[in-house]
Amino acid sequence: AQSVAQPEDQVNVAEGNPLTVKCTYSVSGNPYLFWYVQYPNRGLQFLLKYITGDNLVKGSYGFEAEFNKSQTSFHLKKPSALVSDSALYFCAVRDIQYNNNDMRFGAGTRLTVKP
Amino acid sequence: GAVVSQHPSWVICKSGTSVKIECRSLDFQATTMFWYRQFPKQSLMLMATSNEGSKATYEQGVEKDKFLINHASLTLSTLTVTSAHPEDSSFYICSARDRVWNTEAFFGQGTRLTVV
Repeated sequence: AQSVAQPEDQVNVAEGNPLTVKCTYSVSGNPYLFWYVQYPNRGLQFLLKYITGDNLVKGSYGFEAEFNKSQTSFHLKKPSALVSDSALYFCAVRDIQYNNNDMRFGAGTRLTVKP
Repeated sequence: GAVVSQHPSWVICKSGTSVKIECRSLDFQATTMFWYRQFPKQSLMLMATSNEGSKATYEQGVEKDKFLINHASLTLSTLTVTSAHPEDSSFYICSARDRVWNTEAFFGQGTRLTVV
């Protein structure tokens, strides 16, 4: 079974500073990894994914994430945070051994970017 | 591309009535759709996996007779909350995975259900 941990409930950064939202995962096989963002009373918006290939993946709105197999991590990063990045971020994992199974989500991390 | 439309975005109903929520993939075909429930300030809880043309697979603890799921076509899945009670009030979100690419899932905008 797959699982995801987001160790931080809340991350606060100042506008213009780099941000990191942490995620670690556990799967029995090889993972597909995802980051989604949720704004209030909305569904989840896809940001980026790791399937295979380069460990550093780039996604929407200037976000990127680095897949680290030895540390089983997939931290989300952005070089310069914007106030509009403030939202709830979810990391998700899918075990590719099971073709039609669902993703499992972390508990979410609320990012607040202050002006 | 990859748009999932969920309707309605919010609904208020009386206790004892039933409410149907629709989830449509607008520009792709989805053999698999997922229904989630999200409580305030919490993560998504998977309720069931909906496969086109077959019965849904429910997660443990989710009452299949209360949360009826129908996936009649490759672009539409519906969730019906039957005999709704105030404790069913929640934010319900669907997602769909492209039949061809089958990697990430795309989410509807969610439905805020309030049972009074």
